[in-house]
Amino acid sequence: EIVLTQSPATLSLSPGERATLSCWASQSISSYLAWYQQKPGQAPRLLIYDASNRATGIPARFSGSGSGTDFTLTINSLEPEDFAVYYCQQRSNWPRTFGQGTKVEIK
Amino acid sequence: QVQLVESGGGVVQPGRSLRLSCAASGFTFSDYGMHWARQAPGKGLEWVAIIWYDGSEKYYADSVKGRFTISRDSSRNMVYLHMNSLRAEDTAVYYCGRDWKSGYLGYWGQGTLVTVSS
Repeated sequence: EIVLTQSPATLSLSPGERATLSCWASQSISSYLAWYQQKPGQAPRLLIYDASNRATGIPARFSGSGSGTDFTLTINSLEPEDFAVYYCQQRSNWPRTFGQGTKVEIK
Repeated sequence: QVQLVESGGGVVQPGRSLRLSCAASGFTFSDYGMHWARQAPGKGLEWVAIIWYDGSEKYYADSVKGRFTISRDSSRNMVYLHMNSLRAEDTAVYYCGRDWKSGYLGYWGQGTLVTVSS
């Protein structure tokens, strides 16, 4: 099973700042990584798929990069609605697996 | 628009069974694989299972393999999760999701809570 490790666990930032979230895979997963956003009491929402492709309706301030084992989600100029928990997920191997999440909180 | 509505959650005793249902609408159901994922209270997400668009293939998380079975009824636009031999650690909100690219959850339902407790 591929283990995804996210860092940091919590990121404290102010609106307007840039957020940089990391996800490391225990073995190469090519570009088969997605990022999701989850707000309290809501279901997750797909943001980025295959490392760098924005899902439908996702604002351009969200971008993803990386391949192999190292991946990054960048949120440029945080909006108030961006404070949430973010998860990475791989589709390279079975079973599909999620990272443990990074909480982006208001500083 | 895509809608996924889960049902069937509740309180169940350890060792018992439960069946979750997910009603899909707003898209051609038979064109898409379907997932189940779960989230224990206050914890992160865990992928549970997927069934191919035509039901020909199914894959499971190691933690549920042999106990849970995913199925679908394309005549009714429904996907199911049959859960047997339930354990306390199966307590979670269970989400149904529409597949994207054979592995991601492109759309999610709002979830149904399963509590395994005596």
